[in-house]
Amino acid sequence: LAKTTQPISMDSYEGQEVNITCSHNNIATNDYITWYQQFPSQGPRFIIQGYKTKVTNEVASLFIPADRKSSTLSLPRVSLSDTAVYYCLVGDPQTGANNLFFGTGTRLTVIP
Amino acid sequence: DADVTQTPRNRITKTGKRIMLECSQTKGHDRMYWYRQDPGLGLRLIYYSFDVKDINKGEISDGYSVSRQAQAKFSLSLESAIPNQTALYFCATSDFGAGATGELFFGEGSRLTVL
Repeated sequence: LAKTTQPISMDSYEGQEVNITCSHNNIATNDYITWYQQFPSQGPRFIIQGYKTKVTNEVASLFIPADRKSSTLSLPRVSLSDTAVYYCLVGDPQTGANNLFFGTGTRLTVIP
Repeated sequence: DADVTQTPRNRITKTGKRIMLECSQTKGHDRMYWYRQDPGLGLRLIYYSFDVKDINKGEISDGYSVSRQAQAKFSLSLESAIPNQTALYFCATSDFGAGATGELFFGEGSRLTVL
């Protein structure tokens, strides 16, 4: 299983763009990168998933370099409601390995 | 109604008691999971099941057992609860197949306190 490394915590002011980087040096060919958001006492919520280059949806963008050994979740113009823990998971969705290891995540605090 | 329902939502019990946490889903997913979350920490996988006849141990299965009674139901048991099993427990489901993301859908969590 490809393990991931993320910063433990980050702070940002409201309105700024936030970039959270995840390292996954032993990512395998069939692995995808998936990000989840978790608010206190709630289950995580899927944000975005990608395989290579760039993926964008209404919530975030995911940047993946050519070597795929890292990825960056970008949250545009954060608000106080974006304060949460963000998890990066790596694995093959077909085998289910993408859901086996969450890690400790990155605790983002948005400051007024 | 929630797609993934966990019962009970809160439970306080004593050391040595048997506890069962139940999970049911209406999403029609074959894959189901049980995770544990301790305060300030990430989720750790206890057990997972990819279909009714499939049960797999996760990262921290010791002290726990599971039963997959049907596609829609996946129960977690603590045969003899101990205080360090005090935690927030989440059940989740996911899809799979060609083009599927394997996205996890979580229940609202079951908070267990073992005294």
